[in-house]
Amino acid sequence: DAGVTQSPTHLIKTRGQQVTLRCSPKSGHDTVSWYQQALGQGPQFIFQYYEEEERQRGNFPDRFSGHQFPNYSSELNVNALLLGDSALYLCASSLWGWGTEAFFGQGTRLTVV
Amino acid sequence: AQTVTQSQPEMSVQEAETVTLSCTYDTSENNYYLFWYKQPPSRQMILVIRQEAYKQQNATENRFSVNFQKAAKSFSLKISDSQLGDTAMYFCAFMKPPVTLVFGKGTRLSVIA
Repeated sequence: DAGVTQSPTHLIKTRGQQVTLRCSPKSGHDTVSWYQQALGQGPQFIFQYYEEEERQRGNFPDRFSGHQFPNYSSELNVNALLLGDSALYLCASSLWGWGTEAFFGQGTRLTVV
Repeated sequence: AQTVTQSQPEMSVQEAETVTLSCTYDTSENNYYLFWYKQPPSRQMILVIRQEAYKQQNATENRFSVNFQKAAKSFSLKISDSQLGDTAMYFCAFMKPPVTLVFGKGTRLSVIA
């Protein structure tokens, strides 16, 4: 079992560009959540997908959007990149249900210049 | 809104000694889950231990144990017989239904040989 895999591991983009990050959940998991972790901070919840629908969303602007595919993998898209979007983006997979354990990928380090 | 506070930005401990990391949280819910996650330099979040609020017994996982004080909304992590591999960022987290995590800002733990 490969666990949660994210790609790419590192990315450098220019302000104003668009970026797509990808996540494959742990085998058997049906729920994918995305978190943004700024340097020196704890992760902040962006949104969560289950059954190909966004189920919950944190306090992030509409520039952040996502998608879940029938195989449960997910994408995070960020438009009109700002310098402040530079962060580690973490994907977590789990089963849909109260209190189930979330497994994390190694993250994508996004740098906006 | 639920909040999680970790008041110790950095801590250090001698190898083989015991250290306690503090965490407080705020919620109006009666039943919930609490977690401690470890994030080593490899960036991947690893679950250390979890506690369900309605269970009065404190959770234990090998060298890791918690002191859960529901009335005080306190959830501290004790690491016994500290090892060099325990060096990492430690995050306390509260779970909102169904699987959304609210993290504290973290405590950087250094284990010294």
